[in-house]
Amino acid sequence: KAGVTQTPRYLIKTRGQQVTLSCSPISGHRSVSWYQQTPGQGLQFLFEYFSETQRNKGNFPGRFSGRQFSNSRSEMNVSTLELGDSALYLCASSLDDRPYNEQFFGPGTRLTVL
Amino acid sequence: DQQVKQNSPSLSVQEGRISILNCDYTNSMFDYFLWYKKYPAEGPTFLISISSIKDKNEDGRFTVFLNKSAKHLSLHIVPSQPGDSAVYFCAASDRGSTLGRLYFGRGTQLTVWP
Repeated sequence: KAGVTQTPRYLIKTRGQQVTLSCSPISGHRSVSWYQQTPGQGLQFLFEYFSETQRNKGNFPGRFSGRQFSNSRSEMNVSTLELGDSALYLCASSLDDRPYNEQFFGPGTRLTVL
Repeated sequence: DQQVKQNSPSLSVQEGRISILNCDYTNSMFDYFLWYKKYPAEGPTFLISISSIKDKNEDGRFTVFLNKSAKHLSLHIVPSQPGDSAVYFCAASDRGSTLGRLYFGRGTQLTVWP
């Protein structure tokens, strides 16, 4: 079974631009979560989607948004990029919304904002 | 506010010895705890988990201990191998209210030397 895939793997943007990142969960998984990893802050939760609905959102500004499609694939969008948005963005999928489901992570998208 | 803390950013252990990675948490509502391992340029990989109804969970060379009264958990790796060298993240979840959201520590870089 294929793992979580994320595209693109690397991205370079300039301040003020916007970016869209894509995540395909493991086949059959219906829950997708997004995390931002920076050296100083570790992994910070962005949001979680289940069955196309956002169930949970972390403490990020409104410039960060996401959505989930009927096939469980998810996208996140960052508008008006800032230098501080440079980070590794990780997507994780889990089977469903039952308790104690492990989350499986993709390799991440490395975003650099110049 | 960091609800999950890994106070040791790095740990160096000789091959064959025991590695002990520690993690503290502040939220008494957390009821599920996980350890992830991360290699450079890869996403975190699930290692082992424990629910709050247990105080120990073992899987091969990996054992996680949970001390709820102290809000402390630890990961023991015995014996340590050079391939275990990676960043280890402790994560916690309150399945009752935060659903799929995981709270991560900032990670501990484990180096196992021959």
